[in-house]
Parts: sequence; structure tokens; C-alpha cells
Amino acid sequence: TQLLEQSPQFLSIQEGENLTVYCNSSSVFSSLQWYRQEPGEGPVLLVTVVTGGEVKKLKRLTFQFGDARKDSSLHITAAQPGDTGLYLCAGGILTGGGNKLTFGTGTQLKVEL
Amino acid sequence: NAGVTQTPKFRILKIGQSMTLQCAQDMNHNYMYWYRQDPGMGLKLIYYSVGAGITDKGEVPNGYNVSRSTTEDFPLRLELAAPSQTSVYFCASGLAGAREQYFGPGTRLTVT
Repeated sequence: TQLLEQSPQFLSIQEGENLTVYCNSSSVFSSLQWYRQEPGEGPVLLVTVVTGGEVKKLKRLTFQFGDARKDSSLHITAAQPGDTGLYLCAGGILTGGGNKLTFGTGTQLKVEL
Repeated sequence: NAGVTQTPKFRILKIGQSMTLQCAQDMNHNYMYWYRQDPGMGLKLIYYSVGAGITDKGEVPNGYNVSRSTTEDFPLRLELAAPSQTSVYFCASGLAGAREQYFGPGTRLTVT
């Protein structure tokens, strides 16, 4: 069974601070996705990274896929209250059954004024 | 487009009861998935389907059944509900060969 561990599990910070969330596995994935989930809603895809070492930026969010495609990080610069939510990483393996995703346990982020 | 829709949003079941969670998508996606999300455990794949008439088990299929008679609909059936099935259930869909999955809003199920 493939496992993805996220750290930290909880993070409470002040507006304007920077933060990094980590997603680690002993397994190799063909892609790594980051989702954000708000209470009472389903996960919403933020980014997909597919190449070892790949870095993608989405406004104040920077995503990196590890060289060995086993880990990833999400860095948020100058966090805002609107960034509050549950961040999930998911490792993907493309098969005949579609993109089989293994989800991490999530990082609950709270950004306060 | 409505995307992925799920009904009901909430449901309370007694132990031993049965129910069907409904999922529909209007994006003409071939692939559909059912996940459950337990607190602190992430999402786990229950069943998936690559097209009408084709379904297969995921990581945690015990206690559930699915069917896929049309491209749009992918209902999840719970037979003999147990407290261990208390969870939030998410349906997702995606295009064949694509990595992206699109999630519905979820159904929160409590079994007491």
C-alpha cells in the first residue's frame, strides 16, 4: 500500500507569514497533485506536477516535485485569510483504470488577521 | 455545466439499513470514482469505473456496491450499514488519459 505523509498536520499563522507544507512517500508516483478543500465541499485541484524537480507557481503558491518523484512541497508566500483550508497532496499512477490517486492525510491551515 | 453533483448532502442511517448515494456528472467524462474521507485519514478509493458497464474495486470496497449503466451516473450502494461506514463520501470524474479529477460536494453519512 502506498502512503503519503503530510506535515505539519495543523498550521495556524498570522496574515503575511510564509509557510511550507511537505508531502513525503517511499513510493514513486507518475504525478503529484495538490488540492484545497473548504468545509462542506469537495477537494479542488490546484496544480499537477509530473516531472522530477518540476516547480510550478500559482500566484503566491509555489509547488515543487522532488527529483525522485517521491515527495513534494507547497510554499505559500505572504499568507492571507483566504488561504485558510485543508490542503491535500495526492500521488497519481496512470493505469487502465484512470489516474489512481493516493491521498495524503492533509494539512489544516488557518490564517488569522 | 453543473459539474459533479451528489445527493443527498446529509443522511443518518441506523445499523443494518441500506441506502444509495447518487452521483451524476454532465461533463461527458469516461472515468468516475467513489472515495471516502475519514477525519485525519485523507481520501480512500472505494470503487471506480472506466465507462458504462465497467466497474472495479479500489482500496476499501468491502460493504459497498456500484453500478454504471450510463456515462453520467455512478451510484454507490451501502448494504447493511455499519458504524464503520460513518464518513464523508465524495464522487469524482475525469477524462480518459487525463490526470485531473473533479470532485462533487460530498455526502456526509452517519450510521448509528
